[in-house]
Amino acid sequence: ETGVTQTPRHLVMGMTNKKSLKCEQHLGHNAMYWYKQSAKKPLELMFVYNFKEQTENNSVPSRFSPECPNSSHLFLHLHTLQPEDSALYLCASSQVGDGYTFGSGTRLTVV
Amino acid sequence: GIQVEQSPPDLILQEGANSTLRCNFSDSVNNLQWFHQNPWGQLINLFYIPSGTKQNGRLSATTVATERYSLLYISSSQTTDSGVYFCAVETSGSRLTFGEGTQLTVNP
Repeated sequence: ETGVTQTPRHLVMGMTNKKSLKCEQHLGHNAMYWYKQSAKKPLELMFVYNFKEQTENNSVPSRFSPECPNSSHLFLHLHTLQPEDSALYLCASSQVGDGYTFGSGTRLTVV
Repeated sequence: GIQVEQSPPDLILQEGANSTLRCNFSDSVNNLQWFHQNPWGQLINLFYIPSGTKQNGRLSATTVATERYSLLYISSSQTTDSGVYFCAVETSGSRLTFGEGTQLTVNP
């Protein structure tokens, strides 16, 4: 398998649930990212990891908790979300000179 | 931070027509990419083009870094070209920043 793979593709969760989004990249890139895309808004950067160390947290609420066990895998743990957190969550990886590659995204609905 | 402006915001074409999408940015960049977001949300990387000209089939792109703009050309458009086209740039001091996109609709 090549590229960036995200699971699940769709997720519906209640406000009291705990769920996790998974991202895996097969490109040998050293940086991974979580982006959020809400309706009618530009993509917003959430978290950045370089060589599995978090280097940026773009003022994201603590109900979103990232985890990067190695440079190929990235998780986003979700708990006690709000309906306004419903959005498309995109994972990406990058390498200098190679640009960014995005996964297919997880469409999250919080009910 | 860097500003990225795309034009036009919306574009409707008849199948077979050609089009040009523009991206203006406010600072020097070390990365510029064009993406196509399909109706299912996936962002497809079209070009990695911080400068110069590239072509891939019916699509081509040109970035004039000194004048801080990039153009995406779509020739002989097809209905499958419909979707949102994003320009995104990265500077030495900031991560990939997206424009607001051009919504393209190609009618049969």
